[in-house]
Order: sequence, then C-alpha cells, then structure tokens
Amino acid sequence: AQSVTQLGSHVSVSEGALVLLRCNYSSSVPPYLFWYVQYPNQGLQLLLKYTTGATLVKGINGFEAEFKKSETSFHLTKPSAHMSDAAEYFCAVSGKGQGGSEKLVFGKGTKLTVNP
Amino acid sequence: GAVVSQHPSWVICKSGTSVKIECRSLDFQATTMFWYRQFPKQSLMLMATSNEGSKATYEQGVEKDKFLINHASLTLSTLTVTSAHPEDSSFYICSARETGPPNQPQHFGDGTRLSIL
Repeated sequence: AQSVTQLGSHVSVSEGALVLLRCNYSSSVPPYLFWYVQYPNQGLQLLLKYTTGATLVKGINGFEAEFKKSETSFHLTKPSAHMSDAAEYFCAVSGKGQGGSEKLVFGKGTKLTVNP
Repeated sequence: GAVVSQHPSWVICKSGTSVKIECRSLDFQATTMFWYRQFPKQSLMLMATSNEGSKATYEQGVEKDKFLINHASLTLSTLTVTSAHPEDSSFYICSARETGPPNQPQHFGDGTRLSIL
C-alpha cells in the first residue's frame, strides 16, 4: 500500500525566503507523485507531478520538486516566497483503491505562512 | 486548463433531508471522477471512485446507501447525501481525471461545504 508523510504541519517563512516543504512516500511500485495547493474554502490545484523521466520537476508559480528514489522523497521548493503562496500544500502518491482502481493517497498537508 | 465545476459551493439544510452535489468537467471528458471528504484542518479522504456508466466503487467504511453516486455522462457525476445528519457536515470535494494514459492528474472542483442543522 502507498502512503505519504509530510514533515511539518506548519511552515512559516519570510517573504523572499526559500520555501521547502518536505514529503516522503512509501510505495511498492514505481510511484507517480503530485503536489497540490489548496486555498481556503477551495478545491485543490495541481502544482506539479512526477511520473517518469527527469527527476527535477518544474511546476506552476515558480515551484519545483525533486524525486529522490534513494531517499523516497519528493520535497517541494521555491526560491523566493510571495505572500500569495500562503496556503495548504498536499503531497500525494498514486495508489490502488478498492477494486484495484487508481486513487491518490494524500499526506496530511502542510500549511505555509508567509510573513511580510 | 482543465476545469471542474462543483455546485453548490455551500449548503445548509435540516437534519433528515437529502442533498445533491454536482460535479462537472467543463472542457474535457472524464471517464473517472472521485469524491472526497475533508474534515477541518485535515487531509482529503477518498470516499468513492465513480466511472461513467457503471456503479461507483466505495472505499472501506463509506456507506454506499448513505452516499449515492451517479456518473451518467462523461462530464457529470453527482453525490447525494441521503437523510443527512449533523455528523455528515463536512467539506466535500470532487475531482475528475481526463480520459487517457494511466495516472493522468486529477483536476479538482472548488468543494461544497455542507452544514446539517
């Protein structure tokens, strides 16, 4: 079974500082990995995904993530935080649901606060 | 980009009534749609996977008679919470996956906040 661990339920950074949100996964098969962002009272928006190929994945809004198989990690980074980046971030790995259908397994989320 | 519309965004109703939530993919066809439930300050919990033209597959612990799912077309899935009670109050989010290769990303609606009095 697949699982995701997001280290740190809350991360606080200053505007302009590096953003680093940590995600470790467990998967018995080569994983497909995703990062989503959720703004208050909204659904989730896909930031980026890793399926195969290049391990450094670039997404929207200046975010990127690197797949490290040896560390079972898929950490999300952004060189310079903006106030608009304040939101909840979810890491997810694809897995199998009931009946063998594909599903996403989400981490518990990390709330990012950006201080002026 | 792929847009998923979820309606209504917010509903308050009395205990014992049924509530229907719609999830539409606006600019793509979605063979598979998903329904999630999110409790305050928690992650998303998959309730069921809905495939067009067939019965939904429910996750363990989800009452299929309580949460009725219909996926009648490639662009519409509905979730009906039957005989809703206060413990059913939650944030419900749908997502849709484009038809195509496996592990296409899911595109999410903006969610429905359901409050049962």
